[in-house]
Amino acid sequence: DTEVTQTPKHLVMGMTNKKSLKCEQHMGHRAMYWYKQKAKKPPELMFVYSYEKLSINESVPSRFSPECPNSSLLNLHLHALQPEDSALYLCASSQDSGGYRRETQYFGPGTRLLVL
Amino acid sequence: KQEVTQIPAALSVPEGENLVLNCSFTDSAIYNLQWFRQDPGKGLTSLLLIQSSQREQTSGRLNASLDKSSGRSTLYIAASQPGDSATYLCAVRLMDNYGQNFVFGPGTRLSVLP
Repeated sequence: DTEVTQTPKHLVMGMTNKKSLKCEQHMGHRAMYWYKQKAKKPPELMFVYSYEKLSINESVPSRFSPECPNSSLLNLHLHALQPEDSALYLCASSQDSGGYRRETQYFGPGTRLLVL
Repeated sequence: KQEVTQIPAALSVPEGENLVLNCSFTDSAIYNLQWFRQDPGKGLTSLLLIQSSQREQTSGRLNASLDKSSGRSTLYIAASQPGDSATYLCAVRLMDNYGQNFVFGPGTRLSVLP
């Protein structure tokens, strides 16, 4: 099973709302990632969790707050977003056990977010 | 700073043709390079992963090569089919930040006409 699941598939929110995106994998992967992808652009790395600890934050605004409750789950909490934050948010995972950095990244289908 | 480019930006070919997609990167300090396929509005599907020590990988009609010293990779698709129509992205895994940083190219949009 090489599946990464993401919920919801679509999300519409106002600038004052608080919402969360959820990502789940059951492949035993120890690294999980959040990417943001605007239309016709490549994915841009936002956050990386390694062994449930935040290891990379690519200068993402604090209105995006990641959380890794356990090794299978990754959340992205959203608060006071701007219309320009509308994008496809992709979650990915990779094995990366024992410091081995050579494995494939597996992506979820994404959550399409629209901020009004 | 690592920069990844892909040529061409878009490609339209008749069914059955063999084709080559190109990916270039500026810094050869990479762990590996991965090719992905993305259908409109969907997530990314991994096609091939080439480690920095490898020269090529094959899967079915796909063959990817890597020349790390010159900063280039190619994805060869044999006997293209309409179902191959998608955006193809390459991504390099950088050696900094404990190898947890990935940089994607802008992609090549492929249309295979029946």
